[in-house]
Amino acid sequence: EPEVTQTPSHQVTQMGQEVILRCVPISNHLYFYWYRQILGQKVEFLVSFYNNEISEKSEIFDDQFSVERPDGSNFTLKIRSTKLEDSAMYFCASSLRGLTNSPLHFGNGTRLTVT
Amino acid sequence: AQSVTQPDIHITVSEGASLELRCNYSYGATPYLFWYVQSPGQGLQLLLKYFSGDTLVQGIKGFEAEFKRSQSSFNLRKPSVHWSDAAEYFCAVNTGTASKLTFGTGTRLQVTL
Repeated sequence: EPEVTQTPSHQVTQMGQEVILRCVPISNHLYFYWYRQILGQKVEFLVSFYNNEISEKSEIFDDQFSVERPDGSNFTLKIRSTKLEDSAMYFCASSLRGLTNSPLHFGNGTRLTVT
Repeated sequence: AQSVTQPDIHITVSEGASLELRCNYSYGATPYLFWYVQSPGQGLQLLLKYFSGDTLVQGIKGFEAEFKRSQSSFNLRKPSVHWSDAAEYFCAVNTGTASKLTFGTGTRLQVTL
């Protein structure tokens, strides 16, 4: 069964550094998402992406965050200047159609540690 | 804004026993409701979803959930738990007008042999 893949599985970075988290969604999916889960807290929506543009973003997704689909297969999340509070598990997800018509498929996540 | 409450942080059941995980939501209309499971080191896997129609929905791995509008609840059940069901379970809602899921805080299920 096709799956969403995320790399790396764990990334350690210093505060103030830029980090790029990479995701390869399922190949025929059209909608892409980033969620994060701070340790011990709930999974939180960051951003959704469709037709090469952001369709919705949360208040967490400020100017320090950006997403890109640089080619036909990758979907990336960039944090320009990481803060300690950005430490979390970041999940990429994709769906064939919109959320109410097809399920989200999640990757296994990238654990980001900011020191 | 919609919200999801999972009142049980941690539940322990014996293998073979029945299971019910609670989920309550807050939203003016009927939302779209989901249950996801997360095994250690894994991503989130969809167990089942409710959009409309029959209020008892069947999912994968023998799970079912019942939507009760009067109680704003969407509790997850399994008649006989297996040791492999040990994981974290998340209830989530979508209002149908946005492209995001709002998750509950999760319930960690431990299964004793």
